[in-house]
Amino acid sequence: SQKIEQNSEALNIQEGKTATLTCNYTNYSPAYLQWYRQDPGRGPVFLLLIRENEKEKRKERLKVTFDTTLKQSLFHITASQPADSATYLCALARGATNKLIFGTGTLLAVQP
Amino acid sequence: EPEVTQTPSHQVTQMGQEVILHCVPISNHLYFYWYRQILGQKVEFLVSFYNNEISEKSEIFDDQFSVERPDGSNFTLKIRSTKLEDSAMYFCASSEQGSSYNEQFFGPGTRLTVL
Repeated sequence: SQKIEQNSEALNIQEGKTATLTCNYTNYSPAYLQWYRQDPGRGPVFLLLIRENEKEKRKERLKVTFDTTLKQSLFHITASQPADSATYLCALARGATNKLIFGTGTLLAVQP
Repeated sequence: EPEVTQTPSHQVTQMGQEVILHCVPISNHLYFYWYRQILGQKVEFLVSFYNNEISEKSEIFDDQFSVERPDGSNFTLKIRSTKLEDSAMYFCASSEQGSSYNEQFFGPGTRLTVL
């Protein structure tokens, strides 16, 4: 079955640095991979989607890469701010209605 | 900006009781989903709903669960006889289409506590 793995350990970085989060998947190779942000006690919020034929996608301070050979996506936040502190989830869509399969998420803590 | 809403935000119930969780998806969306997240674990798919019927369900979604779209706006999840292990955050989501490139919009969740 499809597995998505993200760094389970929290990532602590200093404000202003670049945060890099990793998502690895097994088995099925998705045509699209999505990244969501989740704050404590809240629902996931969509951030970015990248297609398999896109090497890189950017949105403001966010950048996502997608390497279908390595079966890996990297999520970067440049010039990180304390407000970026949250759990970041990668997800891919499967099945007839494209239900989302989520990774466990990586908790990012940006220290001022 | 349109958003998915869910009520109640927190539901406490006794084991064996029935609960109904309510969601109002974004109005022009066609696909609706329920997910749950047990504390400290990942978000898990429960069921998807399209054209007034269940399109797909996970093995978690057993006979104790049901969904309904009673009118043009509400989308409900019913748990007939709650168990302790049903305690979790339940998220409703909707998307405009059911394609893999469509983002899903999530509600704020209902925290269900079964005692």
